[in-house]
Amino acid sequence: DAGVTQSPTHLIKTRGQQVTLRCSPKSGHDTVSWYQQALGQGPQFIFQYYEEEERQRGNFPDRFSGHQFPNYSSELNVNALLLGDSALYLCASSLGDRGRGDTQYFGPGTRLTVL
Amino acid sequence: AQKITQTQPGMFVQEKEAVTLDCTYDTSDPSYGLFWYKQPSSGEMIFLIYQGSYDQQNATEGRYSLNFQKARKSANLVISASQLGDSAMYFCAMREDTGNQFYFGTGTSLTVIP
Repeated sequence: DAGVTQSPTHLIKTRGQQVTLRCSPKSGHDTVSWYQQALGQGPQFIFQYYEEEERQRGNFPDRFSGHQFPNYSSELNVNALLLGDSALYLCASSLGDRGRGDTQYFGPGTRLTVL
Repeated sequence: AQKITQTQPGMFVQEKEAVTLDCTYDTSDPSYGLFWYKQPSSGEMIFLIYQGSYDQQNATEGRYSLNFQKARKSANLVISASQLGDSAMYFCAMREDTGNQFYFGTGTSLTVIP
């Protein structure tokens, strides 16, 4: 049973560039959420996708956008990168049926460094 | 106000001993879920245990149990018989049933001493 996968593992970009991160959910899951985890902090919710639509968004600027594909995989795009965007980006998948509290299962993350 | 508060930045425990990691939460929703995750240095968040706000009994999963005190709004994680592999960051999280996002605390770093 494949878990949540993310690519790439690491990424180095410069200020002003754009980046795309990818996520494939756990088998059978239809909901994907994205989180940003700065060093020494807990994850912060960016947004959640369900049925190819953004279902809820956290307190992040419009530079952060996403997409969910018919196979439930998802992308996170960040435009006009800032130094403060350097973080571990975590993708989590879940079943959207509220069973077991809609437990989210996380991928290994993508570590983004902005220089 | 913080939704999730973890007041122990770091904890040490002797191998084979039990340890309690503290978590308090803040919500006005009557229905919510509480979760604990383990994050080793590799970065992946590993789901440990879930407690629903209406669950009458405390949740248990192997060596993990959740001490749920609803009136105090606390959801402490108890790890019994600590092992060296338990050394990691531990995060408490909550999801309110009126929303979809998980709120995380700042984490507790647990070190198991041989």
